[in-house]
Amino acid sequence: QVQIQQWGAGLLKPSETLSLTCAVYGGSFSGNYWSWIRQPPGKGLEWIGEINHSGSINYNPSLKSRATISVDTSKNQFSLKMSSVTAADTAVYYCARGVNRGSYYNYWGQGILVTVSS
Amino acid sequence: DIQMTQSPSTLSASVGDRVTITCRASQSISSWLAWYQQKPGKAPNLLINKASSLESGVPSRFSGSGSGTEFTLTISGLQPDDFATYYCQQYKSYSITFGGGTKVEIK
Repeated sequence: QVQIQQWGAGLLKPSETLSLTCAVYGGSFSGNYWSWIRQPPGKGLEWIGEINHSGSINYNPSLKSRATISVDTSKNQFSLKMSSVTAADTAVYYCARGVNRGSYYNYWGQGILVTVSS
Repeated sequence: DIQMTQSPSTLSASVGDRVTITCRASQSISSWLAWYQQKPGKAPNLLINKASSLESGVPSRFSGSGSGTEFTLTISGLQPDDFATYYCQQYKSYSITFGGGTKVEIK
């Protein structure tokens, strides 16, 4: 059974850098793509980007300039950093497992609410 | 980006009703479409992939159909556990996009 556990800072000030990490337990880490998806309060889902075990990365073009996704295969972990956050970045951030590149998501982390406020 | 449009945005229904949610893509996505159910405070849960393939463990009252630009999710015999928000997602393009969601409420 695959489990994804995520953690990171939940309260940031404008202009700070968001930093979140997900750890994967069970299943194949190298055989999948690992994504970040966010959801502003009361709104829909927005894909941020994805990475695989070898570091192949795809980003949402609208967030590419500020988002950095990385992977640590020794720990079966992947991370998201997003620079220069504003109130518009306030959202629940999820990590999720894609079956392959550009895919659907069959396992999700529990989600972390990140609030950006001065 | 491929735009995904869901309708309606809110749907009021009763237990036992047959419910249909529509998802339209701004260009053809073949059958590269997934459906999710999301309950408040929880991550989305995958129901259907490739437009009509039911995930293991998902009740058979859920079904998906369509191809190209128009897709439907049908719940045949709505159950109390089905009141939730439903999202479609295209994965034809490597830039993934989701529909805006359909909230299924108790009538």
